[in-house]
Formats: sequence, C-alpha cells, structure tokens
Amino acid sequence: GAVVSQHPSRVICKSGTSVKIECRSLDFQATTMFWYRQFPKQSLMLMATSNEGSKATYEQGVEKDKFLINHASLTLSTLTVTSAHPEDSSFYICSANQRTDTQYFGPGTRLTVL
Amino acid sequence: DQQVKQNSPSLSVQEGRISILNCDYTNSMFDYFLWYKKYPAEGPTFLISISSIKDKNEDGRFTVFLNKSAKHLSLHIVPSQPGDSAVYFCAASPNRDDKIIFGKGTRLHILP
Repeated sequence: GAVVSQHPSRVICKSGTSVKIECRSLDFQATTMFWYRQFPKQSLMLMATSNEGSKATYEQGVEKDKFLINHASLTLSTLTVTSAHPEDSSFYICSANQRTDTQYFGPGTRLTVL
Repeated sequence: DQQVKQNSPSLSVQEGRISILNCDYTNSMFDYFLWYKKYPAEGPTFLISISSIKDKNEDGRFTVFLNKSAKHLSLHIVPSQPGDSAVYFCAASPNRDDKIIFGKGTRLHILP
C-alpha cells in the first residue's frame, strides 16, 4: 500500500526556536497533503491543506505565520513551527491523497518545546 | 461545533466478543466515511470506509454500518482480539479527495 513518511519522528527544542517537519509520499505523487495536530484526549485537528505549487489553505484559528507550510514538490510538504512555545508541544501528523484510494497518514512527529 | 461525534471516550470488551463503536455526524454534505485505528505515538491507520450510497461494508472482522437518515455509523469488530486495543477514530469527508474531519476517538480495551 501507499506509504507516507515523516521526519523527524521526535524533536525537542527550546522555546523561541523554529522546527521543520517533513512529510513525504514515498511511492506516489500527492498533489494535496494535509497537516493535523493531535492534542491529548482530543481528536485530530486539521490545521491546513497543502497544495503543490500554491499557497496552503489554513483552517480557522490556525496562525499561518506561525505554522508555515511549503509543498515544494509532488512528494514533499514541510511544516515549520516558527518561534515555538511550550503550548505548541503536540503530535503532528500529515496525510497524503492517493487519487484512486483513501488518504494515507504519516507516522507522526512528536514535538516537545521546552 | 463538532461535526463528527464519538460520544463514548472508552469501551471495554471481552476477547472473542463483538466490539461496537458508534459515531454520529451533523453535516449532511458528508458523503464518505472512514474508520481509523491509532496506537500511541503513531499515525492513524486506515481500517475501513463506506460511501453514502451503501449502508454496509465488510472487510474481514470489520464491518461498518451507515444509517444516513439517522446520521449515524458504527464499526463492528468480531471477534475482538487483544491487538484491537487502540483508539478508533471515526471520520467523514464530503468526498474521497477532500479533507477529513475526525471525531475525538474511542479507546477500545480488549479484556483477556
């Protein structure tokens, strides 16, 4: 089946620094990728839709200047958490569409901001 | 306002018995429904889906039932196995290629 990878799987950073998370579709081209965030005991919250070659579409309440998304190619989307703070600590998950099938999710990235 | 609701945060079922996970939705534009399974610190794994033109879809031990008039779907797992212990997310989408809206999840415990 389709595979989506994320890197890194785990990152710890100091408050005020920026962190980049990569999402790759390994065996298919994804014109659209989605970024989700999971809070403890809560659902997966859609943050933004990443479209190859164009600007990302952000969900209401998500700061686009804080969560920068770049979909540079058909197999890679990046999420950069800028000036991270402890409240940004979370589990970030990406997913990618394979047009003939359903969405496939990456393994997730655990971000801890000290 | 939650568009996809899983009202039971947790469920315990004896091994070998049937597990039934429920989900309700409010948006009548949803046309495609999915169930995902998630282990701690991992991304969700797709389990089974159903299109609104069907009322049942079966795949091995997993069966999803859709009641459009009630805006309700359920996932049946039979027989339940220890490896089924996980968090199960119900999700909905206007179509296969659009964004997915998730419920809050139900933690399933399979008891020995």
